[in-house]
Amino acid sequence: NAGVTQTPKFRVLKTGQSMTLLCAQDMNHEYMYWYRQDPGMGLRLIHYSVGEGTTAKGEVPDGYNVSRLKKQNFLLGLESAAPSQTSVYFCASSYPGYNSPLHFGNGTRLTVT
Amino acid sequence: LAKTTQPISMDSYEGQEVNITCSHNNIATNDYITWYQQFPSQGPRFIIQGYKTKVTNEVASLFIPADRKSSTLSLPRVSLSDTAVYYCLVDVSNYQLIWGAGTKLIIKP
Repeated sequence: NAGVTQTPKFRVLKTGQSMTLLCAQDMNHEYMYWYRQDPGMGLRLIHYSVGEGTTAKGEVPDGYNVSRLKKQNFLLGLESAAPSQTSVYFCASSYPGYNSPLHFGNGTRLTVT
Repeated sequence: LAKTTQPISMDSYEGQEVNITCSHNNIATNDYITWYQQFPSQGPRFIIQGYKTKVTNEVASLFIPADRKSSTLSLPRVSLSDTAVYYCLVDVSNYQLIWGAGTKLIIKP
């Protein structure tokens, strides 16, 4: 049982390049989330999805797009990377319902030069 | 702004009981209190959740007074492997959670 798997683990981009981060979960969770974490700070929600084919904006959505074509996958895209997007990105999933515990992946460390 | 306030850092020693208190003066009627643990280079991991009184599991206990304006995470007999950042969160739904910087707990031998 892998839980939440994120790929890649590390990536270096140049300003203006694009990339897609992949998140996969095998727990049949309805809800999925993308967060970013900057040094010494808590997590900030970028986008989330409450089901296949649906997505919504979180606290810091600008510069990112997402897609949830399959229930088990949640993709985060950066169309034109900027240095301000240098961060660690975490994907999480949960069952629906209030306060169902979040299950996190181990993150993708992205550096934009 | 995070809806919770917790100490930035704490130190303790192996074998001791550690209590981390979180203040949430504006907690709403439907809010739950949830604690997560995060090790370096890993995503946060759920520890415990409660609504009122006391909750205990195999990892920790959570004490919540009647007014629910604070809560205390209790870790019994800590070891070096409990060194981590601990987050206290309150809200009614996961996509409204606001994460603060957490409490960095350092366990010394």
